[in-house]
Amino acid sequence: DAGVTQSPTHLIKTRGQQVTLRCSPKSGHDTVSWYQQALGQGPQFIFQYYEEEERQRGNFPDRFSGHQFPNYSSELNVNALLLGDSALYLCASSPRWGGYGYTFGSGTRLTVV
Amino acid sequence: EDQVTQSPEALRLQEGESSSLNCSYTVSGLRGLFWYRQDPGKGPEFLFTLYSAGEEKEKERLKATLTKKESFLHITAPKPEDSATYLCAVQALNSGNTPLVFGKGTRLSVIA
Repeated sequence: DAGVTQSPTHLIKTRGQQVTLRCSPKSGHDTVSWYQQALGQGPQFIFQYYEEEERQRGNFPDRFSGHQFPNYSSELNVNALLLGDSALYLCASSPRWGGYGYTFGSGTRLTVV
Repeated sequence: EDQVTQSPEALRLQEGESSSLNCSYTVSGLRGLFWYRQDPGKGPEFLFTLYSAGEEKEKERLKATLTKKESFLHITAPKPEDSATYLCAVQALNSGNTPLVFGKGTRLSVIA
């Protein structure tokens, strides 16, 4: 049973550039959430998608946007990258009604230089 | 605002030396409290979900307990392979699938 898969695993971008991260949820899960984890910190909630719409959003600027596709996979886009955007970006999937926690992918390590 | 505080930030144990990690939380209404293990550069790996005060769950050398204000992760006779960061998170009781609120984690090192 495939878990949550994320791509790419690592990437390096320059300040001001744009980046797209991808996520395929665990089989049977229809909800995808994105988290940002800075070094030495716990994951911080960015936003959540189901039925191809953003349902909830954390305290992140509009530079962070996303999309969910009919097959439940998702993308996270970050525009106008800042040095402070360097972090591990985690995708987590769950059934829509939750209560069972989330299954996390291995993450994408983004470095902004 | 929902909050999670974990202590200690870091813990160094000798192999076989049992100890406990603490997770204090405030939440408007608790749907669940979750413990995850995270290895360096990897995503969190699910360990336990606790739903109500008094509940306990065990897995190998780990045992998680829950009260109305805090949770403990007890590690009995740890081995070097238990070295990792342990994350605690809460999910609020609300309509829909509310996001997890995480603590900063406890970084555990077990020395042979």
